[in-house]
Amino acid sequence: EVQLLESGGGLVQPGGSLRLSCAASGFTFSSYAMSWVRQAPGKGLEWVSAISGSGSSTYYADSVKGRFTISRDNSKNTVYLQMNSLRAEDTAVYYCAKDPGYSSGWYVDYWGQGTLVTVSS
Amino acid sequence: DIQMTQSPSSVSASVGDRVTITCRASQGISSWLAWYQQKPGKAPKLLIYAASRLQSGVPSRFSGSGSGTDFTLTISSLQPEDFATYYCQQANSLRLTFGGGTKVEIK
Repeated sequence: EVQLLESGGGLVQPGGSLRLSCAASGFTFSSYAMSWVRQAPGKGLEWVSAISGSGSSTYYADSVKGRFTISRDNSKNTVYLQMNSLRAEDTAVYYCAKDPGYSSGWYVDYWGQGTLVTVSS
Repeated sequence: DIQMTQSPSSVSASVGDRVTITCRASQGISSWLAWYQQKPGKAPKLLIYAASRLQSGVPSRFSGSGSGTDFTLTISSLQPEDFATYYCQQANSLRLTFGGGTKVEIK
């Protein structure tokens, strides 16, 4: 059974940092791209960042480029999101998301339960 | 980046109704499109990928169509468990983009 377990969320002051972790199990982790998707309270889904299975390619939304860094440790089956210079508008539930590896595009077939990040003084 | 526009933003419908949601991409994305269902307090669920392929375990009352820039999600006979918010997502690259969502509410 595929499981994605996020951790690391919490309350942080504007300008602060947090590192989110997502521990994966139930599949061959290194074979699949992983993403982070966030959802602000009462709002829609916003893709944040993605990383290829090997970790050699990373992608960022313009809203977080230069502030957030995605990485993965395939020996630990874990993907990370380092978030620096946090702003109030970064407040959201952050979901860890797995790509299914279909040949017909990039999707999310499994999601974590989400971890809440609140940026406030 | 590719922008995704969904319409309507909300729809009121009754059990048994046929419901159609549309999604338009700002540029052609072939058939690289997904649809997700999200219920309050839960993570989204993949319903349709590659515009028209049903994800494993998803009821056949859900169907998708379209290619290029215009896509539709159809629920052929709305069931009580289908009241939720639906999102489209372009799958052209790992720089995913989601539509703004369509909330399906009980009439």
